[in-house]
Amino acid sequence: NAGVTQTPKFQVLKTGQSMTLQCAQDMNHNSMYWYRQDPGMGLRLIYYSASEGTTDKGEVPNGYNVSRLNKREFSLRLESAAPSQTSVYFCASSGGYNEQFFGPGTRLTVL
Amino acid sequence: SQQGEEDPQALSIQEGENATMNCSYKTSINNLQWYRQNSGRGLVHLILIRSNEREKHSGRLRVTLDTSKKSSSLLITASRAADTASYFCATDGSNYKLTFGKGTLLTVNP
Repeated sequence: NAGVTQTPKFQVLKTGQSMTLQCAQDMNHNSMYWYRQDPGMGLRLIYYSASEGTTDKGEVPNGYNVSRLNKREFSLRLESAAPSQTSVYFCASSGGYNEQFFGPGTRLTVL
Repeated sequence: SQQGEEDPQALSIQEGENATMNCSYKTSINNLQWYRQNSGRGLVHLILIRSNEREKHSGRLRVTLDTSKKSSSLLITASRAADTASYFCATDGSNYKLTFGKGTLLTVNP
């Protein structure tokens, strides 16, 4: 089992460009999450999907959109990247009120 | 806004010593979890303690939970250089969400 995979690992964008971060899990989990991690800020929830077919905003959703493509895949889209979105992005999945399993992260720099 | 708040922000100890990290939170919880993050990596789940539990052990880890004080502690005994990492507490919320604290950076010197 691969667990949670994320692509790409690194990305550099110019202000105004768009991109989609991909996430997939092979653990048959219902819930999936997108976080961003900034120095000194811990992890902040951007969007989550409690189950297939549903998505909800987290703490910092502005500037992002998500798609729960199927039970396995949950993508995060930046429509018009801004320097404030420079961060490390983590995807996670969970079977419920249990532990979350994290992907390796995507390091995004917006110039 | 962060629900959990770890203390201290940074901790530096010698190999073989014990490390204690604390977490305080604000609202009632169903469970509290601790995670470890090695530099540049994703978080790894360490242990989950439910609100009706007071103490839990896993290997060299001991977690306590005091719901009356809304606090938890993580004790790592006989620390090793490989324990060097950031440690986060996380509290559960609605819809299976977790809220993470800002973490404690533990450095174990050989």
